[in-house]
Amino acid sequence: DTGVSQNPRHKITKRGQNVTFRCDPISEHNRLYWYRQTLGQGPEFLTYFQNEAQLEKSRLLSDRFSAERPKGSFSTLEIQRTEQGDSAMYLCASSFTSEYEQYFGPGTRLTVT
Amino acid sequence: AQSVAQPEDQVNVAEGNPLTVKCTYSVSGNPYLFWYVQYPNRGLQFLLKYITGDNLVKGSYGFEAEFNKSQTSFHLKKPSALVSDSALYFCAVILAYGQNFVFGPGTRLSVLP
Repeated sequence: DTGVSQNPRHKITKRGQNVTFRCDPISEHNRLYWYRQTLGQGPEFLTYFQNEAQLEKSRLLSDRFSAERPKGSFSTLEIQRTEQGDSAMYLCASSFTSEYEQYFGPGTRLTVT
Repeated sequence: AQSVAQPEDQVNVAEGNPLTVKCTYSVSGNPYLFWYVQYPNRGLQFLLKYITGDNLVKGSYGFEAEFNKSQTSFHLKKPSALVSDSALYFCAVILAYGQNFVFGPGTRLSVLP
């Protein structure tokens, strides 16, 4: 299967700890997006990359959040000093520049205790 | 600011009956509109999109949607519902030349046997 993959699928951490998630996009896609989804809500945009360049960040992306996409391939999303409010599903998606539909991974569910 | 509304939290329909899941949007420019479906423990799956052209667009699994500019709506439809269509459905909008989706809150569809 050459879809978008995310690891880990589940992460439980204690408040104040740092966590890092990984996303591997569809290999030919040059755009990569991160979204956050809380229970009962639609996904909310966090940030996106075109190749290795991070081109846009949402106000939701506080200074505790950082994302990278070295070499324009996989991406990591790190949350420092986690808070209980960070508990959510973190979704990654990828797309071609020339197309608008995005293809989503299964998500990483973060629980902060 | 862009926004998407899905006025119904829940839609119940009997198997074999037609279904409609409603979506209205508010954008300042020309909208590109999408429908995604989310099954439990799985990522969002792309169903269909409206970019330009014919107001009636056809997508995956027998779904279709009608773009209505005057009513700023993009309702999802299917002539004959299946129990396997039961899932969470999200409408999303992106502006022309925009980058990230704005999602609606989702509508849970239950198809009863």
